[in-house]
Amino acid sequence: GAVVSQHPSRVICKSGTSVKIECRSLDFQATTMFWYRQFPKQSLMLMATSNEGSKATYEQGVEKDKFLINHASLTLSTLTVTSAHPEDSSFYICSARDPRGLNQPQHFGDGTRLSIL
Amino acid sequence: SQELEQSPQSLIVQEGKNLTINCTSSKTLYGLYWYKQKYGEGLIFLMMLQKGGEEKSHEKITAKLDEKKQQSSLHITASQPSHAGIYLCGADYRPGAQKLVFGQGTRLTINP
Repeated sequence: GAVVSQHPSRVICKSGTSVKIECRSLDFQATTMFWYRQFPKQSLMLMATSNEGSKATYEQGVEKDKFLINHASLTLSTLTVTSAHPEDSSFYICSARDPRGLNQPQHFGDGTRLSIL
Repeated sequence: SQELEQSPQSLIVQEGKNLTINCTSSKTLYGLYWYKQKYGEGLIFLMMLQKGGEEKSHEKITAKLDEKKQQSSLHITASQPSHAGIYLCGADYRPGAQKLVFGQGTRLTINP
């Protein structure tokens, strides 16, 4: 079964709305989670690293004020797209790695398709 | 230039045929991961390779890592419609690294 849960799977909302996406690790505690964005027919682009108890680390070119990340507990990270506009429409996906044991793979959520009208 | 290059970007094969997808790194890998994605869905972990020369198989899919640990290939034997999707390779470059670097992906279509 899934070890990383992402919610919601799909969001359609009006321009100017803020949207929150949740990412939960189900079987393990994750001090670090990752948020990716994927455009149609393209690969995953890492947006930021979510760190439990501290500020997120954003990749170059990603607006931290636009994409707010909160990692309030060891099993939950949230990504809030603030004042979303049509250009923010995309597929957002999170991942986490089980820290127990060596060389564990990243486990991914099922993604959130965000459509801004 | 891309740190992790995947080829081909797109592949269309007849059902029952074999195929290979390649992933080449510009520097030595610590670990290489293969994932499969249906468009608009999450990633499914397939296999992880870490040792030079390592080869792993699962059902009809075989992944290899070269001795220099800079190139990996994913081979599918007797392809089926269920193999269709996007294949992504992801790389670790040091022990304990958390984030993965991904290749551009290969979109695989299987024609009946």
